Amino acid sequence: GQQLNQSPQSMFIQEGEDVSMNCTSSSIFNTWLWYKQDPGEGPVLLIALYKAGELTSNGRLTAQFGITRKDSFLNISASIPSDVGIYFCAGPREMRNTPLVFGKGTRLSVIA
Amino acid sequence: EPEVTQTPSHQVTQMGQEVILRCVPISNHLYFYWYRQILGQKVEFLVSFYNNEISEKSEIFDDQFSVERPDGSNFTLKIRSTKLEDSAMYFCASSDPLQGLYGYTFGSGTRLTVV
Repeated sequence: GQQLNQSPQSMFIQEGEDVSMNCTSSSIFNTWLWYKQDPGEGPVLLIALYKAGELTSNGRLTAQFGITRKDSFLNISASIPSDVGIYFCAGPREMRNTPLVFGKGTRLSVIA
Repeated sequence: EPEVTQTPSHQVTQMGQEVILRCVPISNHLYFYWYRQILGQKVEFLVSFYNNEISEKSEIFDDQFSVERPDGSNFTLKIRSTKLEDSAMYFCASSDPLQGLYGYTFGSGTRLTVV
């Protein structure tokens, strides 16, 4: 089945640093999603990407949909302590409301 | 902001017991889902529900699992005879085709511990 591979698995950064994480797949996704999960909470959608090559920002977050449709990256600029959490990439297997496939996540720790 | 509500937030049960996890999806959403996240692992799809029937299920969703929409608001996941390996966070989600994937909303989850 479709699988999403995320790297790195975990990151420790200083507050104020920029962060970059990425997600790759062996198969094409038509939509890429980036979620954040805080401890004890459900995933919350950060950014959705719908077109190959699309670059989208949401505040300090920027994500891009790779032109091959097999990869995406998420950047966080000027990290702050509340950025701590697990970041997942995900994509719907087929159409908009079909089940989502998730990557294993990147755990981000921010040192003040 | 509309939200998906799940109860209880934490349930401890003995192996072999039945559990029912409850969810109240966002009121105008049409698609409902259950996902599972074993501690430290990725979120995995279990089942989707549309128009009062299962539309898709994963290989994890075997005969010990069932879902139901007993009334107009609740959506439940029943595990008939729990096993130790069923211990996980269970997330309910709902979506509306008109909102695209920005409307795909997860609840805060139920942590199930089987002892």
